[in-house]
Amino acid sequence: KAGVTQTPRYLIKTRGQQVTLSCSPISGHRSVSWYQQTPGQGLQFLFEYFSETQRNKGNFPGRFSGRQFSNSRSEMNVSTLELGDSALYLCASTKGQGANTGELFFGEGSRLTVL
Amino acid sequence: GEDVEQSLFLSVREGDSSVINCTYTDSSSTYLYWYKQEPGAGLQLLTYIFSNMDMKQDQRLTVLLNKKDKHLSLRIADTQTGDSAIYFCAEWDTGGFKTIFGAGTRLFVKA
Repeated sequence: KAGVTQTPRYLIKTRGQQVTLSCSPISGHRSVSWYQQTPGQGLQFLFEYFSETQRNKGNFPGRFSGRQFSNSRSEMNVSTLELGDSALYLCASTKGQGANTGELFFGEGSRLTVL
Repeated sequence: GEDVEQSLFLSVREGDSSVINCTYTDSSSTYLYWYKQEPGAGLQLLTYIFSNMDMKQDQRLTVLLNKKDKHLSLRIADTQTGDSAIYFCAEWDTGGFKTIFGAGTRLFVKA
């Protein structure tokens, strides 16, 4: 069973640009969550999608957006990049409903550097 | 509000026990977790405990939960150099459809 796949793994952008990150969840998982990881801040919740609907959103500015497609794949977009957006962006999938332990399955992340 | 707190660093000698502590605020959490992150990788679930349990043991891992104090701990017996990683405490906010993570404890194991 393939794991969670995130692309690209590494990217470098300059301030003011925008970026789109992609996440393919484990087959059968309908929930996709996105997190931003920075040193000292840990994992900050960005948003969660289930069946193409955003069910929750973290405390991030409107420059951060996301969406989910009918095949459960998800993308997140950051516009007008700032230096502080440099981070590891992690995607995680889970079944999203029914009896389960809530275990999240993480991808390896997309490391964004903003210059 | 929701918050999960844990110390940032822990250093132990190989063969000793490691104890990582965590406090959380959401008393309605049904599951509490410990995730492990190795360098250059995403997080992987290490173990979890249901909120109606006090203790869970899984080979070298022991999880203790004190619901009254909202305190969770992870004990790793006979710590090995391969245990060096970042350990995240987390709680599941089922109503909010999100898992809340602490900042992570970086475990250093000295040979």
